[in-house]
Amino acid sequence: KQEVTQIPAALSVPEGENLVLNCSFTDSAIYNLQWFRQDPGKGLTSLLLIQSSQREQTSGRLNASLDKSSGRSTLYIAASQPGDSATYLCAVSDGNQFYFGTGTSLTVIP
Amino acid sequence: DTEVTQTPKHLVMGMTNKKSLKCEQHMGHRAMYWYKQKAKKPPELMFVYSYEKLSINESVPSRFSPECPNSSLLNLHLHALQPEDSALYLCASSQSQGTIGTQYFGPGTRLLVL
Repeated sequence: KQEVTQIPAALSVPEGENLVLNCSFTDSAIYNLQWFRQDPGKGLTSLLLIQSSQREQTSGRLNASLDKSSGRSTLYIAASQPGDSATYLCAVSDGNQFYFGTGTSLTVIP
Repeated sequence: DTEVTQTPKHLVMGMTNKKSLKCEQHMGHRAMYWYKQKAKKPPELMFVYSYEKLSINESVPSRFSPECPNSSLLNLHLHALQPEDSALYLCASSQSQGTIGTQYFGPGTRLLVL
């Protein structure tokens, strides 16, 4: 069964810093990988989707990369802002369902 | 329109009650999902419907009963729940079951079982 791990579990940075969140998965036979953000008590907001044939995707200050062979994805956030404070989740699809990572709780300090 | 709606937003029920959660999407997606999320944990998959047929049931207790009346609607019927079933219940949809396209989530229903 696919296992997805995110490191670190929590991260606190000053405003303006660039940061990297990590996602690791055990089975490289994936269809796609998706990054989400979740604010406390709310649903998940999709940030970026990377298909298995792609290496990276960009949206504004966000850049996600995928290395299937090593079972890794990173989410790069440039020039962090207090509004970026949230929990970030990655999810990997095997074609039938999505397996979620454990999440990284990000706090950006003004 | 990339919206998934869920009703109600909040629900309090006793252990003998029967209630239903509703989910709706109008994106033409053919896969719909129910997840359960406890505080500070990732979502746990409960059910997947693909083309209105139950595709995955992750060994969920029978007190949870899903229903997909048409391609836009997904219900979760609740009966004789336990206090440990209190959680955020999330509905999601995607173009197809896990192979292509983004998974879109609704805002969730916060359920409290007394």
